[in-house]
Amino acid sequence: SQQGEEDPQALSIQEGENATMNCSYKTSINNLQWYRQNSGRGLVHLILIRSNEREKHSGRLRVTLDTSKKSSSLLITASRAADTASYFCATDNTGFQKLVFGTGTRLLVSP
Amino acid sequence: NAGVTQTPKFQVLKTGQSMTLQCAQDMNHEYMSWYRQDPGMGLRLIHYSVGAGITDQGEVPNGYNVSRSTTEDFPLRLLSAAPSQTSVYFCASGAYSNQPQHFGDGTRLSIL
Repeated sequence: SQQGEEDPQALSIQEGENATMNCSYKTSINNLQWYRQNSGRGLVHLILIRSNEREKHSGRLRVTLDTSKKSSSLLITASRAADTASYFCATDNTGFQKLVFGTGTRLLVSP
Repeated sequence: NAGVTQTPKFQVLKTGQSMTLQCAQDMNHEYMSWYRQDPGMGLRLIHYSVGAGITDQGEVPNGYNVSRSTTEDFPLRLLSAAPSQTSVYFCASGAYSNQPQHFGDGTRLSIL
């Protein structure tokens, strides 16, 4: 069964705007990861946040983790058309890289 | 550095046929995994391996078989293809726990 549920399922914004995607999960985790998938391609890792961390940054990306609410969010600032993709959260409950993925958010950034 | 290489990229099978999806990585990663991606369902784990000679089942293992004789290769075998196995299959590798996975570009499999 899917561990993560992502919200919204689809998001359409203009270039320059910020995009926020949310992920909720069901059980305790070792870490939570965010991946990007361009159409017809494999997944590309964006950020990994461990269960004892609350926030991580990477360039225009900011990820937060609230283990008490079993939720995470991915913020993309100053979006570009090239950010158009599907974004997935994935949780690792065991530490053995047995990832459980959410259903994803489809982001469309219009020029 | 090729990363994770999957072959073939596309395949059409008839019901009942068997085939092997190949996956190779050149990063000396211990962890390797197979996922399938169906529309609207994200990725689901089929089988995974924590090192050569060690494999275990994931969420949806039925109808699939794996082995890991070397660190580099992790083939996925479909024993008797069924239309329900039509999907996009992704192989991934990772160095160790609490590290990201690296994905191949996928194999698009259609079973008629």
